[in-house]
Amino acid sequence: DAGVIQSPRHEVTEMGQEVTLRCKPISGHDYLFWYRQTMMRGLELLIYFNNNVPIDDSGMPEDRFSAKMPNASFSTLKIQPSEPRDSAVYFCASSLVGQGSSGNTIYFGEGSWLTVV
Amino acid sequence: AQSVAQPEDQVNVAEGNPLTVKCTYSVSGNPYLFWYVQYPNRGLQFLLKYITGDNLVKGSYGFEAEFNKSQTSFHLKKPSALVSDSALYFCAVRDFAYSGAGSYQLTFGKGTKLSVIP
Repeated sequence: DAGVIQSPRHEVTEMGQEVTLRCKPISGHDYLFWYRQTMMRGLELLIYFNNNVPIDDSGMPEDRFSAKMPNASFSTLKIQPSEPRDSAVYFCASSLVGQGSSGNTIYFGEGSWLTVV
Repeated sequence: AQSVAQPEDQVNVAEGNPLTVKCTYSVSGNPYLFWYVQYPNRGLQFLLKYITGDNLVKGSYGFEAEFNKSQTSFHLKKPSALVSDSALYFCAVRDFAYSGAGSYQLTFGKGTKLSVIP
């Protein structure tokens, strides 16, 4: 199994630029999550989808952030315009809710390390 | 509401000694409990989980955790620590009561940094 795949792994961008982070969940999973991790705030849930439908976006910090999931195998998290305080590691994760040994377990990607200067 | 607490920001243990990383939780219904490990510059890796059944759960890399309903705890343990176990450990809880259609409320603790000293 390829696991959750994120791109880019590292990005350095200038303040004001648009940033797009990409995610391919594990095939067959019905939930997709976007998390942000910083030293100050720890791990924060930004938004999650069930069967490509956004369920809860209450963690999205402000209107500069948006997320889409056009199909079951792809999601994007966009920041426009980016600000230095957006510098963080952004994780995508996926899960299959149900029975079985892997049911209900969230699997994380390796993260996208964003630096806004 | 559900919550999870990891009371120790850091745990230091000598190599070869047993280790414990503490986690307590609060839920309205029955909990699903998870432990994850994060190595430097990596994503979170699943270690083990408790859904139902035996209170002692065994996971990856020789780790185990014991579900204690009366104490609302799910401490992570390993009989003999390795230097390579040094990492950040996260406990997480999901309240089974909030498992309605579409909902998925999983709450993570703040993490405990484990340092195993050679």
